[in-house]
Amino acid sequence: GAVVSQHPSWVICKSGTSVKIECRSLDFQATTMFWYRQFPKQSLMLMATSNEGSKATYEQGVEKDKFLINHASLTLSTLTVTSAHPEDSSFYICSASLNRGYETQYFGPGTRLLVL
Amino acid sequence: QQPVQSPQAVILREGEDAVINCSSSKALYSVHWYRQKHGEAPVFLMILLKGGEQKGHEKISASFNEKKQQSSLYLTASQLSYSGTYFCGTGTQGAQKLVFGQGTRLTINP
Repeated sequence: GAVVSQHPSWVICKSGTSVKIECRSLDFQATTMFWYRQFPKQSLMLMATSNEGSKATYEQGVEKDKFLINHASLTLSTLTVTSAHPEDSSFYICSASLNRGYETQYFGPGTRLLVL
Repeated sequence: QQPVQSPQAVILREGEDAVINCSSSKALYSVHWYRQKHGEAPVFLMILLKGGEQKGHEKISASFNEKKQQSSLYLTASQLSYSGTYFCGTGTQGAQKLVFGQGTRLTINP
């Protein structure tokens, strides 16, 4: 149980384009989903917390207009990187949790984004 | 603030034991331990919710000292499959999010 999927697993795009990443909880309803960014050999940096049906709460320094998060259902959250630039290249990982985040977070397999 | 993990890296031979520590400057409600292998997402190991609680999972166990705001992960008789980077994620009362430590890279050699 507690399986989270992400799609796509890899994406290469040109600078200036937008990229959408999907995060799905496959066998449970996730009231809360989290989006992280991880650079090589570094820790997981939280970008935003997304509660189903509510606007996402962004961490300090994360541009909400650049990283659009939608959590329209209990099994799906999306992260859209708008007007991507090479510095946005990273490993993006989502996690999903029951009980509005106060319990275990289960991570998706991650999406590698390369912006050329 | 980010919890501090120690050591930053450790190299063991198969069968040896390891302890990874996680220390926070904030009062903690929970500590979550994850293992991440290269190029993959973190995998949940265990969650500790009470002060002084110790939990076990096969040969991997952990303790949580709420008063000291510390947690330790114990790996006994390590196996090659234990290699990876271990992260502790700390939760505070009333907060949905976790704050992760910088990670401890564990290498197990045959």
